[in-house]
Amino acid sequence: AQSVTQPDARVTVSEGASLQLRCKYSYFGTPYLFWYVQYPRQGLQLLLKYYPGDPVVQGVNGFEAEFSKSNSSFHLRKASVHWSDWAVYFCAVSMGPGGNYKPTFGKGTSLVVHP
Amino acid sequence: EAAVTQSPRNKVTVTGGNVTLSCRQTNSHNYMYWYRQDTGHGLRLIHYSYGAGNLQIGDVPDGYKATRTTQEDFFLLLELASPSQTSLYFCASSDLENYAEQFFGPGTRLTVL
Repeated sequence: AQSVTQPDARVTVSEGASLQLRCKYSYFGTPYLFWYVQYPRQGLQLLLKYYPGDPVVQGVNGFEAEFSKSNSSFHLRKASVHWSDWAVYFCAVSMGPGGNYKPTFGKGTSLVVHP
Repeated sequence: EAAVTQSPRNKVTVTGGNVTLSCRQTNSHNYMYWYRQDTGHGLRLIHYSYGAGNLQIGDVPDGYKATRTTQEDFFLLLELASPSQTSLYFCASSDLENYAEQFFGPGTRLTVL
């Protein structure tokens, strides 16, 4: 069964610092991977997605993520964090075409940005 | 204009009460999903559907029924609500080609007293 682990429940960074949010997945085969962001009192929005191909994918607002099959990871990065990035971030994994159409989400990482 | 809407946005009921949560999407998507979000558990899939009249069981279906009446409308039913079902509920939709990329509604906060 597919699963996602986000080992850090909460990450605190200073504005302008770099950021990495970790995501480890468990999946037999080639996964489709996603990062979503949830701002306060809102639903989730897609940040970026990985479909088999280039392991580094670019998303909105300067975010990027790198897929590593050897490490079973899909970590999210940003070079310089802005206060508006204060949110909860979810990693998700899904099977490709022909799969069960059931994405699995991690428990989320809450990002706190200090001035 | 919002493509996935949910109603009501907030709901309070008592134990044993009957609750229906509504979701409508105007994305022309085939797939629709119901999730619950709880602190420490993240997002958990309750039920999903790939078209009108279809229902698939998710990962935490106990105590919930769902019905997809049209391509646009997906309902979540709690027929005997319990305090353990107090949660934030999200509906989402996705299309057949990019089914794993989901578009979420704003959520419904349900409190069962």
